[in-house]
Amino acid sequence: SQTIHQWPATLVQPVGSPLSLECTVEGTSNPNLYWYRQAAGRGLQLLFYSVGIGQISSEVPQNLSASRPQDRQFILSSKKLLLSDSGFYLCAWSVRVDTEAFFGQGTRLTVV
Amino acid sequence: KNQVEQSPQSLIILEGKNCTLQCNYTVSPFSNLRWYKQDTGRGPVSLTIMTFSENTKSNGRYTATLDADTKQSSLHITASQLSDSASYICVVGGSYQLTFGKGTKLSVIP
Repeated sequence: SQTIHQWPATLVQPVGSPLSLECTVEGTSNPNLYWYRQAAGRGLQLLFYSVGIGQISSEVPQNLSASRPQDRQFILSSKKLLLSDSGFYLCAWSVRVDTEAFFGQGTRLTVV
Repeated sequence: KNQVEQSPQSLIILEGKNCTLQCNYTVSPFSNLRWYKQDTGRGPVSLTIMTFSENTKSNGRYTATLDADTKQSSLHITASQLSDSASYICVVGGSYQLTFGKGTKLSVIP
C-alpha cells in the first residue's frame, strides 16, 4: 500500500531563518507531488507541483522554492522566512492529476 | 477565475441528526469533484470523488451528489456521530490543478 510521510509535524522558526520541509511517498512510482499551504480560515492554496524528478511548477510567486531530488521525495524550502509564511503546509500525491490525491499529516509552521 | 464556494461556513448539529453541506463551483475545464474530511491539525482525507458522468456516490454514512449542469454538489451526512466533527472541503479538479473550497466546519454535539 502507498503511504506518505511528512515532517516535522510542528515547527517554530525565527524570521529570516531558512526552512526545509520534507515529504516522501512509499509504495508507488512516478507520483504527481504537490505542496499546499492552508492559512487560518482559508482554503488550501497550491504552491508547487511536480510530475517528475527535477520538474517543478510554481503556482504562486513567493520566497519559497521546491525541489524533487528523487522520484518519491519532495522538499519545500526557503532561504529566509517571513512572518507571512506561517501556516499549515500539506504535501500530497496522486497517480495522475485527475485521480484521488492523498495528503500527508501536515506541518504547522509558525514564524516568530 | 476558478472558484469553489461552500456553505454554510459552519454548522452545529445534534448527534444522530442528518445534515447537508453545499458546494458551488466555477471551474473550467471540469475533471472531477471531491469531498474531503479534515480533522483539526491533520491532513485532509478523501471521502468521495466523482467525475462528470456520476450523479451520486456514497461512502458509508456520507453521500455526495453532483449536478454538472448547475455546477453544484452536496454532501449528505446521515445519523451524525461525534467523530464527524471536522471541516469538510469540496475540491474541484480541473485540467492540471485542484481548486479548494474554504470548507464547512461541522460540530456534532451530544
